[in-house]
Parts: sequence; structure tokens; C-alpha cells
Amino acid sequence: DIQMTQSPSSLSASVGDRVTITCRASQSISTHLNWYQQKPGQAPKLLIYYASSLQSGVPSRFSGSRSGTDFTLTISSLQPEDFATYYCQQSYSTPDTFGQGTRLEIK
Amino acid sequence: EVQLVESGGGLVQPGGSLKLSCAASGFSFSGFAMDWVRQAPGKGLEWVGRIRIKAYNYATLYAASVKGRFTVSRDDSKNTTYLQMNSLELEDTAVYYCTRQVSSGWYVWFDPWGQGTLVTVSS
Repeated sequence: DIQMTQSPSSLSASVGDRVTITCRASQSISTHLNWYQQKPGQAPKLLIYYASSLQSGVPSRFSGSRSGTDFTLTISSLQPEDFATYYCQQSYSTPDTFGQGTRLEIK
Repeated sequence: EVQLVESGGGLVQPGGSLKLSCAASGFSFSGFAMDWVRQAPGKGLEWVGRIRIKAYNYATLYAASVKGRFTVSRDDSKNTTYLQMNSLELEDTAVYYCTRQVSSGWYVWFDPWGQGTLVTVSS
């Protein structure tokens, strides 16, 4: 199975900060990488697919990028509604696997 | 509006069985593979299984942790997918989400997700 390693596991930041979350795949997955946001008590929500394509309706302050097997989710200017847990997911091969999550908290 | 609504969760004893349902609306259900993903309390997301569309003979795939115990099925006439869970273990306690697999060429992602249904395995 492909292992997805996210870092950091938790992060404290302030409204207006620029935040970066990283996900590393254990092998090449091309751009078969998706990002989800999950708020407490809610289902996950798709933010980014294909590593860098923004899902319809998702604010443009969210962006994704790839460098080899390293993937990055960036929030350019944190808003209060962005405090949540973020997961990466590889869809290159079955079983689909998720990172362990990054909890983004208010500083 | 594209919507997925799970039902059927509850409390079950170890070794018992439970069948979850996921009713879809707002899209052409028969044209999409459907997946189940679970989340143990306070933990991350774990993919459980998938059922493909009729054109792929409704092929199913499972995580190693549930293979042989869980079965994914679908009824396209009812726009519903099911997760039959047998020989349940304490470690199967989780919120179970159904989700639609969206594809573009070889690229796939999950969108949307249902609200989830809680399965608690306990004696």
C-alpha cells in the first residue's frame, strides 16, 4: 500500500497567516493527490483534486502544488472558517490511502 | 443538489452484523462508482471499499482489514448503495461515510460525502 505522511500533525496559526501543510507519498503517484477539509462533527469536503485543481466553490486562498512525491496545501490568508482538520488522499492505486491529518487550530 | 444520506448505524455486539444504506439523489447514480470510508473516534480516515458501475460488472474492492467480512452492493433502481458488515470487531467502531467517486480520465476523487452513520461495536 502507498503510505501518505502528512506534516505537521497539528498547527497553531492566526487569522491572516499564510499556512502550508505537506503530504509525502511513499512512492510516485504522479498528480493523483486530493485534499479534504473536515470540521468537527462534519463530513470531509473536497478542496483540491489532481494535486492543484480547485474544487468549484472553494475559495481561491486555497491552493495545491507538487514537487516529486511531496505535495503542499497552502492557505494564503487564514480565515476563521478555515480552522479544521485537513487530509491528503492518494488515488493512484487501491487501496486509496489518506494522510493522518493536520489539525489547524487558532493561536 | 447532489446528496448522499447514510442510515442503518447503531450498537452491535462483537461478532454481530449490520447493514448500512446510502441513498443518493441529485445525480445519475448508475454512472458513478461508490465508496465507503470510515473514521474511528478521534482518528483519521480509512478507505473501506468500493463498488464500480454496471459497465465494470459491479466489481468490488476492499481494504485488507475488512475483506471477507464486509460486502458493498448497490441497487441502481433505488439509487442506493449498501455496506453489509459481518463478524464485526471492536475495531470496526467508527463513523461510516459513503462517498461518490468522481473521475476525469484516470484521475479520481471523492465528492460529495454523506453525513455519516455511527457504528458502535461493544458488548
